Formats: sequence, C-alpha cells, structure tokens
Amino acid sequence: NAGVMQNPRHLVRRRGQEARLRCSPMKGHSHVYWYRQLPEEGLKFMVYLQKENIIDESGMPKERFSAEFPKEGPSILRIQQVVRGDSAAYFCASSPPDRVNTDTQYFGPGTRLTVL
Amino acid sequence: DQQVKQNSPSLSVQEGRISILNCDYTNSMFDYFLWYKKYPAEGPTFLISISSIKDKNEDGRFTVFLNKSAKHLSLHIVPSQPGDSAVYFCAASAAGTYKYIFGTGTRLKVLA
Repeated sequence: NAGVMQNPRHLVRRRGQEARLRCSPMKGHSHVYWYRQLPEEGLKFMVYLQKENIIDESGMPKERFSAEFPKEGPSILRIQQVVRGDSAAYFCASSPPDRVNTDTQYFGPGTRLTVL
Repeated sequence: DQQVKQNSPSLSVQEGRISILNCDYTNSMFDYFLWYKKYPAEGPTFLISISSIKDKNEDGRFTVFLNKSAKHLSLHIVPSQPGDSAVYFCAASAAGTYKYIFGTGTRLKVLA
C-alpha cells in the first residue's frame, strides 16, 4: 500500500515564476492537508481539502497561494509569483474519509521549494 | 502565539537509557495529541497518539503521557537506540477541527 506521494521532491524557481506542487494521498484516503515548514520551525497548517472541496484554508496566505483537489488526479498546491520567503518544505498529509478529528494524518516526503 | 511548545530544542541520551521529550500546550480545546519523528529530507512519520480521555498510551518502546491539568505531554522512549536519533514533533488538534498545530521540534541524539 503506497504511502502519500509528493512530486517533485525538489523544485527551484526564480522570483516571479509559478510553483506547482503535487500530492497523491494514500489509497483509500480522501482528505488532504498541506503544511509548510520554514527552516528551524515546526510545520504550519495551510489548507485542508476533500475531493472538489476546500474545507479549511485558514492557514493559507490570502494572495498568490491556491489549492485544489479535483475529482480525478492529485491535489495541487499552486504558488504564483514566488518570492524568496516562499522557500520552504511543503508537506502533504492524508487521512481516511471518516471525518473524525482523531484520524491520524500520514505525511508525504515533502517538496523542497527554493526560490532564487 | 505558539499554542504548542517544545522548549528543549535538543536532547542527548546514551543508548539503552530513557529519552523523555516534553511538550506543553496552551489551548484547552485540544483533545487529540500526537508525536511524529522526522529524519532530514523526509516527511514526518507518525509514532504514537493519545486522546484527551486517556492519560497514557503505550506502543512498544514508546509511551505518551498526558497531564491535562498541567497542559503537558511527554514521550518516553525506553530503551533508546541510535536509530531513534531524529527530530521529534508534538502536535495537537481540537475537536471539530482537523488541522494539527505543531511544536517546533526537539532534536534527539542517541549516543552509542
């Protein structure tokens, strides 16, 4: 049973470019979460999605960031017009579809974004 | 406002001894707590969790203790092994929400 998959593992962008990060949840999981980890800090929640729905985006910056989880295909975290401060590790997690907050979230390996 | 705090950024322990990692929280609405282990360049790996209706949960060498009145939890690893060397994050969530609030991590080094 494959775990949470993220790609690319490393992404380098120049300031002003767009970054697209992909996440495929574990088999049987329908809830996806995105977290960001800045250097020397803990993980910070960004957004929680189910298929075709954004449930909680309270941690998402209001501008330049968007997320989706379409009916088919992976979840996408999109960052437009990247700036150096966007350089971080972005982790995706998934959990089963039972909607209980005690469902454990399982994390992918992360995408390390570097903005030059 | 850091709702989940891990005040020790690092900890060194001899192999075979007990490792105790601590975590404090401020939000009394948290009712589910977890510990994750993280190696460099990898994602966090789930270790153990505890619901607020319990004060202890054990899984092999790992035990988590929860003291709700003190808003404190701890992870005990006995016996510690060199492969346990990693960064340990505690996380918490509140009923009705699904996001985890993470601490800043404690780097554990187990010395052979």
